[in-house]
Amino acid sequence: KQEVTQIPAALSVPEGENLVLNCSFTDSAIYNLQWFRQDPGKGLTSLLLIQSSQREQTSGRLNASLDKSSGRSTLYIAASQPGDSATYLCAVNGDGGNTGKLIFGQGTTLQVKP
Amino acid sequence: DGGITQSPKYLFRKEGQNVTLSCEQNLNHDAMYWYRQDPGQGLRLIYYSQIVNDFQKGDIAEGYSVSREKKESFPLTVTSAQKNPTAFYLCASKNAGGTDTQYFGPGTRLTVL
Repeated sequence: KQEVTQIPAALSVPEGENLVLNCSFTDSAIYNLQWFRQDPGKGLTSLLLIQSSQREQTSGRLNASLDKSSGRSTLYIAASQPGDSATYLCAVNGDGGNTGKLIFGQGTTLQVKP
Repeated sequence: DGGITQSPKYLFRKEGQNVTLSCEQNLNHDAMYWYRQDPGQGLRLIYYSQIVNDFQKGDIAEGYSVSREKKESFPLTVTSAQKNPTAFYLCASKNAGGTDTQYFGPGTRLTVL
Protein backbone atom coordinates (compact mmCIF):
# COMPACT_ATOMS: atom_id res chain seq x y z
CA LYS A 1 0.00 0.00 0.00
CA GLN A 2 1.39 3.40 -1.01
CA GLU A 3 2.29 5.70 1.88
CA VAL A 4 3.38 9.31 1.54
CA THR A 5 5.34 11.09 4.25
CA GLN A 6 6.32 14.74 4.56
CA ILE A 7 9.06 15.99 6.82
CA PRO A 8 9.18 18.31 8.68
CA ALA A 9 5.57 18.79 9.82
CA ALA A 10 6.27 22.46 10.47
CA LEU A 11 8.98 24.90 9.47
CA SER A 12 9.67 28.52 10.40
CA VAL A 13 12.21 30.59 8.47
CA PRO A 14 13.15 34.27 8.15
CA GLU A 15 12.15 36.13 5.02
CA GLY A 16 14.56 35.77 2.12
CA GLU A 17 15.81 32.33 3.02
CA ASN A 18 15.88 29.50 0.48
CA LEU A 19 14.21 26.33 1.76
CA VAL A 20 13.48 22.74 0.86
CA LEU A 21 10.39 20.70 1.70
CA ASN A 22 10.62 16.94 1.55
CA CYS A 23 8.19 14.25 0.41
CA SER A 24 8.83 10.49 0.39
CA PHE A 25 6.71 7.64 -0.93
CA THR A 26 7.01 3.90 -0.41
CA ASP A 27 6.06 2.55 -3.85
CA SER A 28 8.10 3.90 -6.76
CA ALA A 29 5.49 2.81 -9.33
CA ILE A 30 3.84 6.22 -9.56
CA TYR A 31 2.16 7.91 -12.51
CA ASN A 32 2.85 11.47 -11.37
CA LEU A 33 3.44 13.55 -8.26
CA GLN A 34 1.92 16.91 -7.41
CA TRP A 35 2.64 19.67 -4.94
CA PHE A 36 -0.27 21.70 -3.60
CA ARG A 37 -0.58 24.78 -1.41
CA GLN A 38 -3.33 25.17 1.19
CA ASP A 39 -4.07 28.39 3.07
CA PRO A 40 -5.85 28.05 6.45
CA GLY A 41 -9.48 27.01 6.03
CA LYS A 42 -9.23 27.00 2.23
CA GLY A 43 -9.09 24.52 -0.61
CA LEU A 44 -5.94 23.31 -2.36
CA THR A 45 -4.14 25.11 -5.17
CA SER A 46 -1.94 23.10 -7.51
CA LEU A 47 1.65 24.36 -7.66
CA LEU A 48 3.55 21.84 -9.74
CA LEU A 49 2.87 18.46 -11.35
CA ILE A 50 5.74 16.14 -12.27
CA GLN A 51 5.11 13.20 -14.57
CA SER A 52 6.93 9.95 -13.75
CA SER A 53 9.19 10.41 -16.77
CA GLN A 54 10.30 13.89 -15.64
CA ARG A 55 13.02 14.85 -13.15
CA GLU A 56 11.84 18.35 -12.25
CA GLN A 57 9.39 21.17 -12.88
CA THR A 58 9.81 24.88 -12.27
CA SER A 59 7.36 27.72 -11.78
CA GLY A 60 8.73 31.09 -10.75
CA ARG A 61 10.52 30.74 -7.41
CA LEU A 62 9.39 27.12 -7.05
CA ASN A 63 11.26 24.06 -8.24
CA ALA A 64 10.09 20.50 -7.65
CA SER A 65 12.29 17.47 -8.24
CA LEU A 66 11.40 13.80 -8.48
CA ASP A 67 13.60 10.76 -7.88
CA LYS A 68 11.37 7.73 -8.40
CA SER A 69 14.03 5.15 -7.64
CA SER A 70 14.62 6.54 -4.17
CA GLY A 71 10.97 7.43 -3.58
CA ARG A 72 11.63 11.12 -2.96
CA SER A 73 10.50 14.52 -4.13
CA THR A 74 11.59 17.95 -2.96
CA LEU A 75 9.99 21.36 -3.30
CA TYR A 76 12.55 24.15 -3.36
CA ILE A 77 11.34 27.68 -2.60
CA ALA A 78 13.80 30.45 -3.42
CA ALA A 79 13.92 33.78 -1.63
CA SER A 80 10.97 33.01 0.65
CA GLN A 81 8.39 35.72 1.36
CA PRO A 82 5.75 36.09 4.12
CA GLY A 83 3.11 35.41 1.47
CA ASP A 84 4.56 31.91 1.08
CA SER A 85 3.27 31.02 4.55
CA ALA A 86 0.85 28.12 4.09
CA THR A 87 0.64 24.34 4.28
CA TYR A 88 2.30 22.48 1.43
CA LEU A 89 1.02 19.03 0.50
CA CYS A 90 2.47 16.47 -1.87
CA ALA A 91 0.33 13.79 -3.48
CA VAL A 92 1.14 10.81 -5.66
CA ASN A 93 -1.00 9.29 -8.38
CA GLY A 94 -0.15 5.60 -8.44
CA ASP A 95 -3.31 4.16 -9.94
CA GLY A 96 -2.00 3.88 -13.48
CA GLY A 97 -3.35 7.32 -14.17
CA ASN A 98 -6.77 5.94 -15.06
CA THR A 99 -8.77 7.04 -12.04
CA GLY A 100 -6.71 10.02 -10.97
CA LYS A 101 -6.80 8.85 -7.36
CA LEU A 102 -4.29 10.76 -5.23
CA ILE A 103 -2.58 9.69 -2.02
CA PHE A 104 -1.57 12.66 0.12
CA GLY A 105 1.14 13.30 2.66
CA GLN A 106 0.29 15.01 5.95
CA GLY A 107 1.68 18.34 4.80
CA THR A 108 4.39 20.76 5.93
CA THR A 109 3.17 24.01 7.50
CA LEU A 110 5.54 26.83 6.56
CA GLN A 111 5.82 30.15 8.34
CA VAL A 112 7.98 32.87 6.78
CA LYS A 113 8.72 35.64 9.26
CA PRO A 114 9.19 39.23 8.03
CA ASP B 1 -15.88 32.34 -13.86
CA GLY B 2 -14.90 28.71 -14.19
CA GLY B 3 -14.36 26.69 -11.07
CA ILE B 4 -15.71 24.48 -8.33
CA THR B 5 -18.18 25.66 -5.71
CA GLN B 6 -19.03 23.96 -2.44
CA SER B 7 -21.88 24.82 -0.13
CA PRO B 8 -22.42 25.51 2.62
CA LYS B 9 -19.09 26.79 3.92
CA TYR B 10 -19.99 25.77 7.48
CA LEU B 11 -22.44 23.03 8.46
CA PHE B 12 -23.59 21.85 11.86
CA ARG B 13 -25.15 18.46 12.38
CA LYS B 14 -26.96 16.98 15.33
CA GLU B 15 -26.41 13.39 16.36
CA GLY B 16 -28.44 11.00 14.19
CA GLN B 17 -28.99 13.44 11.32
CA ASN B 18 -28.06 12.98 7.69
CA VAL B 19 -26.62 16.03 5.96
CA THR B 20 -25.75 16.69 2.31
CA LEU B 21 -22.78 18.70 1.09
CA SER B 22 -23.02 20.27 -2.33
CA CYS B 23 -20.29 20.30 -5.00
CA GLU B 24 -20.77 21.90 -8.42
CA GLN B 25 -18.25 22.45 -11.22
CA ASN B 26 -18.49 24.31 -14.51
CA LEU B 27 -15.14 23.14 -15.86
CA ASN B 28 -16.71 20.38 -17.97
CA HIS B 29 -14.60 17.84 -16.10
CA ASP B 30 -15.56 14.18 -16.27
CA ALA B 31 -14.06 13.06 -12.95
CA MET B 32 -15.03 14.31 -9.49
CA TYR B 33 -13.73 13.43 -6.04
CA TRP B 34 -14.62 13.85 -2.36
CA TYR B 35 -11.89 14.04 0.29
CA ARG B 36 -11.92 14.35 4.05
CA GLN B 37 -9.24 16.31 5.93
CA ASP B 38 -8.66 16.01 9.68
CA PRO B 39 -6.34 18.33 11.64
CA GLY B 40 -2.68 17.53 11.07
CA GLN B 41 -3.50 14.93 8.46
CA GLY B 42 -3.48 14.80 4.72
CA LEU B 43 -6.55 14.30 2.58
CA ARG B 44 -8.25 10.91 2.45
CA LEU B 45 -10.45 9.84 -0.46
CA ILE B 46 -14.11 9.13 0.33
CA TYR B 47 -15.71 8.55 -3.10
CA TYR B 48 -14.91 9.34 -6.70
CA SER B 49 -16.78 9.35 -10.00
CA GLN B 50 -15.29 9.18 -13.47
CA ILE B 51 -18.55 9.44 -15.40
CA VAL B 52 -22.19 10.32 -14.88
CA ASN B 53 -24.25 7.64 -13.11
CA ASP B 54 -21.14 5.80 -11.93
CA PHE B 55 -19.03 6.15 -8.79
CA GLN B 56 -16.58 4.10 -6.71
CA LYS B 57 -15.68 3.90 -3.04
CA GLY B 58 -12.44 5.42 -1.88
CA ASP B 59 -10.46 4.53 1.22
CA ILE B 60 -12.96 5.73 3.84
CA ALA B 61 -16.44 5.36 2.27
CA GLU B 62 -18.23 3.89 5.31
CA GLY B 63 -20.98 6.19 6.56
CA TYR B 64 -21.04 8.27 3.36
CA SER B 65 -23.06 8.14 0.15
CA VAL B 66 -22.90 10.01 -3.17
CA SER B 67 -24.78 10.41 -6.44
CA ARG B 68 -23.72 11.58 -9.90
CA GLU B 69 -26.87 12.33 -11.86
CA LYS B 70 -25.35 15.30 -13.70
CA LYS B 71 -21.84 15.87 -14.99
CA GLU B 72 -21.47 19.13 -13.07
CA SER B 73 -22.77 17.93 -9.69
CA PHE B 74 -21.47 15.41 -7.14
CA PRO B 75 -23.25 15.76 -3.76
CA LEU B 76 -21.99 13.94 -0.67
CA THR B 77 -24.34 12.76 2.07
CA VAL B 78 -22.90 12.19 5.53
CA THR B 79 -25.19 9.65 7.16
CA SER B 80 -25.83 8.92 10.82
CA ALA B 81 -23.71 5.79 10.37
CA GLN B 82 -20.58 7.97 10.18
CA LYS B 83 -19.52 8.02 13.81
CA ASN B 84 -16.95 10.81 13.66
CA PRO B 85 -18.00 13.18 10.88
CA THR B 86 -16.47 16.39 12.21
CA ALA B 87 -13.90 17.34 9.56
CA PHE B 88 -13.13 19.57 6.59
CA TYR B 89 -14.57 18.19 3.34
CA LEU B 90 -13.03 19.01 -0.03
CA CYS B 91 -14.41 18.33 -3.49
CA ALA B 92 -12.21 18.18 -6.58
CA SER B 93 -12.54 17.59 -10.30
CA LYS B 94 -10.29 16.86 -13.26
CA ASN B 95 -10.33 15.92 -16.92
CA ALA B 96 -10.46 12.24 -17.78
CA GLY B 97 -7.06 10.58 -17.97
CA GLY B 98 -4.14 10.83 -15.62
CA THR B 99 -2.10 13.76 -16.82
CA ASP B 100 -4.11 16.70 -15.54
CA THR B 101 -4.13 18.11 -12.05
CA GLN B 102 -7.15 18.07 -9.80
CA TYR B 103 -8.90 21.37 -9.13
CA PHE B 104 -10.27 21.84 -5.64
CA GLY B 105 -13.26 23.66 -4.22
CA PRO B 106 -13.08 25.92 -1.13
CA GLY B 107 -14.29 23.20 1.25
CA THR B 108 -17.10 22.67 3.76
CA ARG B 109 -16.39 22.47 7.49
CA LEU B 110 -18.80 20.05 9.17
CA THR B 111 -19.21 20.06 12.94
CA VAL B 112 -21.30 17.63 14.96
CA LEU B 113 -23.06 19.25 17.89
